[in-house]
Amino acid sequence: NAGVMQNPRHLVRRRGQEARLRCSPMKGHSHVYWYRQLPEEGLKFMVYLQKENIIDESGMPKERFSAEFPKEGPSILRIQQVVRGDSAAYFCASSPTGSAKNIQYFGAGTRLSVL
Amino acid sequence: SQQGEEDPQALSIQEGENATMNCSYKTSINNLQWYRQNSGRGLVHLILIRSNEREKHSGRLRVTLDTSKKSSSLLITASRAADTASYFCATDEGWASNTGKLIFGQGTTLQVKP
Repeated sequence: NAGVMQNPRHLVRRRGQEARLRCSPMKGHSHVYWYRQLPEEGLKFMVYLQKENIIDESGMPKERFSAEFPKEGPSILRIQQVVRGDSAAYFCASSPTGSAKNIQYFGAGTRLSVL
Repeated sequence: SQQGEEDPQALSIQEGENATMNCSYKTSINNLQWYRQNSGRGLVHLILIRSNEREKHSGRLRVTLDTSKKSSSLLITASRAADTASYFCATDEGWASNTGKLIFGQGTTLQVKP
């Protein structure tokens, strides 16, 4: 049973370009969370999605960031017109339900570097 | 505001010694979890303790939870060099949210010297 798969592992973009980060949850999991980790810091919640629905996007920046989790395929975190401050590690986690009782399983992350 | 805050920020011990890390949080919670992160890697779930539990064990790990003080501790006994990593506590928002999103502390960086 494969774990949470994220790709790419490393992504380099120039300022103004778009970044697309992909996350395939564990088999049987329909709930996906995205977190961002700045250097030397803990993870910060960004968005929580179920299939085809955004449930909680309270941690998403108001502009340039969007997320989706289509009926088929992986969840996508999209950052438009990247800036240097977007450089961070982005982690995806999945769980079988959205309950606080469930463990979230994390992917290895995508490390975004903006030049 | 930061829900989980950990201390110490950094801890260096010799192999075989015990390591204790502490976490404090601000709001009511359903559960508290501890994760480990090796340098440049993802997070690995270690242990979950529910708000009605006071202590939990898993192998060399012992976690305590004091909801009256809004604090938790993680004890790693008989540490090994392979335990070198960052350790994070994470909480939910209790009654304030039913989405299960986690709020992480800043983490404790543990170095175990061989």
